[in-house]
Amino acid sequence: KAGVTQTPRYLIKTRGQQVTLSCSPISGHRSVSWYQQTPGQGLQFLFEYFSETQRNKGNFPGRFSGRQFSNSRSEMNVSTLELGDSALYLCASSTRQDVNTEAFFGQGTRLTVV
Amino acid sequence: GQSLEQPSEVTAVEGAIVQINCTYQTSGFYGLSWYQQHDGGAPTFLSYNALDGLEETGRFSSFLSRSDSYGYLLLQELQMKDSASYFCAVRQGGSGGYQKVTFGTGTKLQVIP
Repeated sequence: KAGVTQTPRYLIKTRGQQVTLSCSPISGHRSVSWYQQTPGQGLQFLFEYFSETQRNKGNFPGRFSGRQFSNSRSEMNVSTLELGDSALYLCASSTRQDVNTEAFFGQGTRLTVV
Repeated sequence: GQSLEQPSEVTAVEGAIVQINCTYQTSGFYGLSWYQQHDGGAPTFLSYNALDGLEETGRFSSFLSRSDSYGYLLLQELQMKDSASYFCAVRQGGSGGYQKVTFGTGTKLQVIP
């Protein structure tokens, strides 16, 4: 069974640009959540999608957005990139939402903003 | 607001038992989770406690006391491969009817021979 796949693995963008990250969940998983991990702030929850609807969200500005498609694949978009957006972006998939059932993480996308 | 506290570093001997504590201050608490993350790797889900008590899964156990806003992860028969960072995370109600997940800053466990 394939795991959670995130693309691209590494990305370098310039301040002010926008970026789209992709996450393909494990087959049959309908819940996808996104996290930002930095050395300074640690792991922070961005948002969670289930059945194409955003169900939960963290405390990030509106520059951070996402969506989920009918096949449960999810994308995350960050507009007007800032240097502080440099981070490892992780997505996780699970079978259910709203409870912490076992969540499987992808290897992440390492975003560097210069 | 919300905050989670866990020790930043713990060192233990191979074969021993170690307990990693997590205290939290949150509103609208749903449950406490634990994750393991090796350097350069992705987090791995270890356990989830919604109710008071001890949950055991092999060498790992997790405990929750909702009245004390406290939980811990217990690792028994430590192995070198257990050297990693361990995060506690709280799922709670947020604004606008949303739920959100807040992570602790992580405990770096070093297992020594």
